[in-house]
Amino acid sequence: NAGVTQTPKFQVLKTGQSMTLQCAQDMNHEYMSWYRQDPGMGLRLIHYSVGAGITDQGEVPNGYNVSRSTTEDFPLRLLSAAPSQTSVYFCASSWGRGPTEAFFGQGTRLTVV
Amino acid sequence: DAKTTQPPSMDCAEGRAANLPCNHSTISGNEYVYWYRQIHSQGPQYIIHGLKNNETNEMASLIITEDRKSSTLILPHATLRDTAVYYCIVIADDMRFGAGTRLTVKP
Repeated sequence: NAGVTQTPKFQVLKTGQSMTLQCAQDMNHEYMSWYRQDPGMGLRLIHYSVGAGITDQGEVPNGYNVSRSTTEDFPLRLLSAAPSQTSVYFCASSWGRGPTEAFFGQGTRLTVV
Repeated sequence: DAKTTQPPSMDCAEGRAANLPCNHSTISGNEYVYWYRQIHSQGPQYIIHGLKNNETNEMASLIITEDRKSSTLILPHATLRDTAVYYCIVIADDMRFGAGTRLTVKP
């Protein structure tokens, strides 16, 4: 099992560019989520999904879009990148929302110049 | 979800037990205590969780006070590979991470 796979691992964007961060899991988990982690801080929830076709906002959703067309994939889209979005992004999956063990990807390090 | 308070950093000698405290004085009856750790800049890794009772697995032990307002994660024999940031999280719905405790295990 691959678990949670994120691509790319590193990305540099220019201000105003758009891109999609990919996240895929092979554990048939219903719940998937995206976090960002800024230097010296904990992870902050961006968006989450409780199943295919269902998404909702987390703590810091502005500037990001998500969709969930399949159980396996949960891409995160940056519509118009800004330097404030420079961060490390983590995708996670679990059986459900709430107190269940979550599995994290290895992260995507994004720099916006 | 209830807020947690952890010391920003701790040191531990290799081979000794590491005891990481967490305060969650506003925890509700349906909220679980979870511990994760993050080594370097990797994705967080699940360690252990509990509701009321003390728990033990192959990685660690979790001691929750009777009033559930605080807990302690115990790594019984810390190794250099246990150097990481440890997050204590109280969960009802979504996981909200604080800054965690940076544990440094020293030779």
